[in-house]
This record gives sequence, structure tokens and C-alpha cells, in this order.
Amino acid sequence: DSGVTQTPKHLITATGQRVTLRCSPRSGDLSVYWYQQSLDQGLQFLIHYYNGEERAKGNILERFSAQQFPDLHSELNLSSLELGDSALYFCASSATGQGLTNEKLFFGSGTQLSVL
Amino acid sequence: AQSVTQPDIHITVSEGASLELRCNYSYGATPYLFWYVQSPGQGLQLLLKYFSGDTLVQGIKGFEAEFKRSQSSFNLRKPSVHWSDAAEYFCAVADGYNDMRFGAGTRLTVKP
Repeated sequence: DSGVTQTPKHLITATGQRVTLRCSPRSGDLSVYWYQQSLDQGLQFLIHYYNGEERAKGNILERFSAQQFPDLHSELNLSSLELGDSALYFCASSATGQGLTNEKLFFGSGTQLSVL
Repeated sequence: AQSVTQPDIHITVSEGASLELRCNYSYGATPYLFWYVQSPGQGLQLLLKYFSGDTLVQGIKGFEAEFKRSQSSFNLRKPSVHWSDAAEYFCAVADGYNDMRFGAGTRLTVKP
């Protein structure tokens, strides 16, 4: 158990809908990273938040947004869903976000999103 | 931007046999390299990482990897595979700060 909690584990929805994925980092970790794992794109970095502030963006679509709350949990919002958004969405946390060379990422077990 | 290629989508080895998973990277500066393992239904777990220094890196679960700058490679090895090693393995390269790029993964099947 990595200590990172993601809910829900599975989510089935329809095209055009909006969903929210939740991530609770390990206790004390200030950074949250979001990744998308799909069959055609592989594992892609979406966005990084540190202590409530956006730190870096990767391949995140404009239909997607994220935030990190004062209690440090994070939510990834996906809107106007398309079939191609079906994927496993991971979040990971790290202690400070000082850089991947300095600290370890701990991954949650993911949210499997199916868009029908 | 950095990128990673894992040439083998699927590898099957017999239990007790040796294992080598290939990884080639592309990055202009000093690469920060990682190997992660993903078991079914689980998140990714870090096996080992290379930042600098000794080019042979030891990791958890008996894995090691060797960084070869001349070949732009960071292959993962294990001398004797156990059935519990069956999983998906990802090589990754990072810019050191936020942007970690993963390979497509190699699925390892272990035959009894």
C-alpha cells in the first residue's frame, strides 16, 4: 500500500458528461501529480500541483482541469468526455515537489474511467 | 523533450531464468532514469533510479540496471526470475523536476 488513495476505483459514464476523480496523497506529502494511462498513448504526465499551486503542465487537454485543496487532496475534472478519454488515471504524491531527482513518487492504484 | 523507447511489448521467460528488459532514451542533457513495475490492479512502484555516479544501479526485489551513455540505454536485469515478477515494467526519463516521460511498457510473463 503506497498510502495514496484514489476514488472511485471504477467510473463508467457517457460521452459528453463530466466527472471528478479524487486523490488523497500520503500523509504529509505536499505534491500531487496526475497521469493518464491509455492503450494508445501509454502513460502520460498531465499536471503537477504543489501545496495548492499548479507547478507544471504536461499533455493535459483543455477539457481537463485539476486543483489541489487546502487539505492537500486533489481533484481532476474531466468534461465533455469523449470515447478516447477512457483510460486509467493515476495520481502520485511526493513529499515536497523539489524534483524527481530528490524524492520518490508514490502512486495510487488508479481510477479506471470508461466512457461509453 | 525527452522520450523513452521500450522495444519489447511482451516478454516470456521461464521461472529461474535470467531477464533483461530493454530501454532506450532520448535526452539532450544528463538523463534521470527510472524503472517502475506495475502489478495488475496496482499503481506503479519504483524499482530503481539513476541520476549520476556508478552506472550499475541496484534496486529492490533483486533488480539492477546499467546506464550506458554511448548506447543511450538503461536496461533492466535480474539473474533469476520468480513467478511473482510477472507484471508490466516501465522505463522512464525525467528532466529532473516535473516532467517524467514513460515508455510504452513491457509485459513480463513468467512460465512455471
